[in-house]
Amino acid sequence: GQQVMQIPQYQHVQEGEDFTTYCNSSTTLSNIQWYKQRPGGHPVFLIQLVKSGEVKKQKRLTFQFGEAKKNSSLHITATQTTDVGTYFCAGRGSGGGADGLTFGKGTHLIIQP
Amino acid sequence: GAVVSQHPSRVICKSGTSVKIECRSLDFQATTMFWYRQFPKQSLMLMATSNEGSKATYEQGVEKDKFLINHASLTLSTLTVTSAHPEDSSFYICSARGGGPLETQYFGPGTRLLVL
Repeated sequence: GQQVMQIPQYQHVQEGEDFTTYCNSSTTLSNIQWYKQRPGGHPVFLIQLVKSGEVKKQKRLTFQFGEAKKNSSLHITATQTTDVGTYFCAGRGSGGGADGLTFGKGTHLIIQP
Repeated sequence: GAVVSQHPSRVICKSGTSVKIECRSLDFQATTMFWYRQFPKQSLMLMATSNEGSKATYEQGVEKDKFLINHASLTLSTLTVTSAHPEDSSFYICSARGGGPLETQYFGPGTRLLVL
């Protein structure tokens, strides 16, 4: 079955440093979504990427979808304490149908002031 | 934005009892709802997909007789954990998809189940 791998599992950064998490799928994806989950909370949708090579920005966050639609990355510039949480990528297969998302294991972002 | 509610938010039950969790889309009609479970500090694992008016599709390894899913309307899906055991203790999260162009899933706040 489809597998989505995400690295790193944990990332400690100083406030103000940049942060990147990477996501790789074993199969081609129709789209990939990114979610943020704060400690004790539920996943909150950040963005969806659909097109090969797509790049989207949300303020300090930059999302990329690979040309082969099998990998993606999320980059945060100049992290702030409010960025703390776990970032999950979630892929939807290209086989069509009402498939649920396959989530990566997430990257726990820890920020030291 | 789209809102999905879940009830209850937290439940403690005795081993052997059944627990029902409700998932509602409050301001949109959800053609498809999904149920996930999440163990502490781990990722979300898809349990099943439910479409309104039809039987749920369960992921491999998920017992359909233990986790009963009913999607009776376009705004409500329920997950019943039957004969719960301590190993069923987990965070159960539903999501709903409204069939819009982006097919975004909107997540409920989750239900923490503790089976004693």
